[in-house]
Amino acid sequence: AQSVSQHNHHVILSEAASLELGCNYSYGGTVNLFWYVQYPGQHLQLLLKYFSGDPLVKGIKGFEAEFIKSKFSFNLRKPSVQWSDTAEYFCAVRSSGNTGKLIFGQGTTLQVKP
Amino acid sequence: DGGITQSPKYLFRKEGQNVTLSCEQNLNHDAMYWYRQDPGQGLRLIYYSQIVNDFQKGDIAEGYSVSREKKESFPLTVTSAQKNPTAFYLCASSIVPGPGGYGYTFGSGTRLTVV
Repeated sequence: AQSVSQHNHHVILSEAASLELGCNYSYGGTVNLFWYVQYPGQHLQLLLKYFSGDPLVKGIKGFEAEFIKSKFSFNLRKPSVQWSDTAEYFCAVRSSGNTGKLIFGQGTTLQVKP
Repeated sequence: DGGITQSPKYLFRKEGQNVTLSCEQNLNHDAMYWYRQDPGQGLRLIYYSQIVNDFQKGDIAEGYSVSREKKESFPLTVTSAQKNPTAFYLCASSIVPGPGGYGYTFGSGTRLTVV
């Protein structure tokens, strides 16, 4: 069965620090990869997604993620975080089959101190 | 504005009661999904539907039921058989299943509390 693992459950950073959130998945076939963000009291929003092509994907708000197929990883990065990045972040994987199901990781809570 | 509407936002249920959570979308999406969100466990798939009058169990379907009589609507019933129903429930939709890499549009969620 497919699974997604996010290594960090709770991350605390100061403003301007660099961020990297780990995401690994277990599925050998073609995958689509996503990062979602949930700001306090708000909907889940799509940060970025990878379908094919350039493995370095740029998203909204200065986030990027790199797909490393050999490592089954899709880590999220941001060079300099802001207090407004405080949120919960979810990695998700969708197989190339026709079910459309997204499998989510456990989530990482990011707290940015001003 | 197109989107997904979940209602109610907060719901309280007595033990032994069934409750139904509403999810409506006006995005003309084929596929709809129900997830349960618990702290530290991420989102877990309850049920999903790729087409009207058809749906499949997700990873944690026990104690839940759904229907998909209309493309726009995918209500979730939390039955008395669900042992631990207190949670945050999220509905989502997507354009089509199958390859294509479409992400989901999420609703704002319903927080269910059993009292």
